[in-house]
Amino acid sequence: TQLLEQSPQFLSIQEGENLTVYCNSSSVFSSLQWYRQEPGEGPVLLVTVVTGGEVKKLKRLTFQFGDARKDSSLHITAAQPGDTGLYLCAGGRVSGGGADGLTFGKGTHLIIQP
Amino acid sequence: DADVTQTPRNRITKTGKRIMLECSQTKGHDRMYWYRQDPGLGLQLIYYSFDVKDINKGEISDGYSVSRQAQAKFSLSLESAIPNQTALYFCATSDWTSGHAGELFFGEGSRLTVL
Repeated sequence: TQLLEQSPQFLSIQEGENLTVYCNSSSVFSSLQWYRQEPGEGPVLLVTVVTGGEVKKLKRLTFQFGDARKDSSLHITAAQPGDTGLYLCAGGRVSGGGADGLTFGKGTHLIIQP
Repeated sequence: DADVTQTPRNRITKTGKRIMLECSQTKGHDRMYWYRQDPGLGLQLIYYSFDVKDINKGEISDGYSVSRQAQAKFSLSLESAIPNQTALYFCATSDWTSGHAGELFFGEGSRLTVL
């Protein structure tokens, strides 16, 4: 069974601060997805990284896939209240398959206070 | 209108009752999924379907059944609901992708409370 550990579980910071959320595993993944979920809604995909060492930027969000494809990080610069939500990482099975092969982390609850 | 629509959005029922959660999608995707979300446990896959004739169990299928009535419709049933099935349920769809798991498109969720 592939497990993904996310840390921290909860994070509450002031607007304007920087933060990093981690997603770690002892297993290798074919890809790593990050989703954001707001209250009362389903998760929405932010990014998919597929190559070891890959870095993707989405405005103030920077995503990195570890060189060994076992871990990933999400860094937010100058956090804003609109960044508040539950952030989920999901790893794709190396042996293939579609989204049925995704393993989800338990999520990081992020609160950005004005 | 949402691309993935779930009904009902909220339901309170009693132990032993049969419950059906319905999902319809307008994305034209062949692949549909049912997930369960519990606080502190993340998303767990219940069942998935790659087309109308294909149904597969996920990691927590016991106590649940599904029906793929059409490409656009996938329903989840709890034949005899029990309190530990109280959770937030999500339907999702995806398209086929080569090489890695594709993007999941989620509905807004159905909150089920079993008393």
